Amino acid sequence: NAGVTQTPKFQVLKTGQSMTLQCAQDMNHEYMSWYRQDPGMGLRLIHYSVGAGITDQGEVPNGYNVSRSTTEDFPLRLLSAAPSQTSVYFCASSSYINTGELFFGEGSRLTVL
Amino acid sequence: KNEVEQSPQNLTAQEGEFITINCSYSVGISALHWLQQHPGGGIVSLFMLSSGKKKHGRLIATINIQEKHSSLHITASHPRDSAVYICAVGRNNDMRFGAGTRLTVKP
Repeated sequence: NAGVTQTPKFQVLKTGQSMTLQCAQDMNHEYMSWYRQDPGMGLRLIHYSVGAGITDQGEVPNGYNVSRSTTEDFPLRLLSAAPSQTSVYFCASSSYINTGELFFGEGSRLTVL
Repeated sequence: KNEVEQSPQNLTAQEGEFITINCSYSVGISALHWLQQHPGGGIVSLFMLSSGKKKHGRLIATINIQEKHSSLHITASHPRDSAVYICAVGRNNDMRFGAGTRLTVKP
């Protein structure tokens, strides 16, 4: 059982480039979410989804795009990377929105030069 | 002011000590989560609480909904407990996180 798989683990981008962080879960969870973690600020919710075809914004959505075409996959797209998006990104899933155990991916460290 | 406040920010203990980490929040919630982040960066869920108390091994988590406060206790602490402990609150579809408590347990 793989749980939540996140790729890539590390990525370096130049300002203005675009990229996609992949997230897949094999637990048939309806709720999936993306967070960024910055030093001294804790985790912050970027976007979330409560099921295939349904996405919504979290606390810090600007500069990011998501889609949920299947229950398993929830990719996060950076449309035009900026240095302010340098961070560690985590994907998570849960069987129930906020009242189920959260399962996290291993994280993706992104540096934007 | 952050909606989720944790204390202390940093905590150093000797092996075997009883440890308490506190979490206070300012909004109505549907659930509160305690997470553990290892030095390598991975995050695992320890507890999800909506009321009362839960125990798993040496870890105990309590929540007081009226006072908007939760505590995480570690009994007989061990160096392998060294990690960052994060409190998170769920409200509707949103999640808000504390900044974390960095725990170091010395042998």
